[in-house]
Amino acid sequence: DAGITQSPRHKVTETGTPVTLRCHQTENHRYMYWYRQDPGHGLRLIHYSYGVKDTDKGEVSDGYSVSRSKTEDFLLTLESATSSQTSVYFCAIATVSFYEQYFGPGTRLTVT
Amino acid sequence: AQRVTQPEKLLSVFKGAPVELKCNYSYSGSPELFWYVQYSRQRLQLLLRHISRESIKGFTADLNKGETSFHLKKPFAQEEDSAMYYCALRAGNQFYFGTGTSLTVIP
Repeated sequence: DAGITQSPRHKVTETGTPVTLRCHQTENHRYMYWYRQDPGHGLRLIHYSYGVKDTDKGEVSDGYSVSRSKTEDFLLTLESATSSQTSVYFCAIATVSFYEQYFGPGTRLTVT
Repeated sequence: AQRVTQPEKLLSVFKGAPVELKCNYSYSGSPELFWYVQYSRQRLQLLLRHISRESIKGFTADLNKGETSFHLKKPFAQEEDSAMYYCALRAGNQFYFGTGTSLTVIP
């Protein structure tokens, strides 16, 4: 599993509240990704990072922000959660030369 | 723009029957394609990548640039193959996933 963990694993929050999800890796990989998984949509990229303080937007970045102050941590923030952000969120890393992606266990977020 | 299409949301086959999960892609560059699998309550994991031309758990996939396809095949399905399968395309630093196919192998 390339030492990838996510926290929390489950969260229920109310509309309008900020939420931060954490992805932690132990193997010093440069590239980290946040995806959301929804039925009928598969996995969609939210944001990714290619180094400390270097991030870029993905396909569905509206309403989300990210930060990477250390190589091992990649944070995803929902600035003001909405019901449409109810989803399962996966973090991933890419190995050297993008040979493979390893995924975290996922965070199930419910916005009520 | 890059795009990955998996036309089948659900696929059911009997144990021992052949299985094929379809994947088509759209990409102007030279594609790198992958199949990922997600078993129930587990994280996604790489099943195979086209550049390795390997066979994992009896599955194979051939890249057909003329048809822009990367279909996943297995000659004899097993019950433990029941899972969600995602086809993915790498374009630069990003990976693009299809919508997934849920495979059920009927005993």
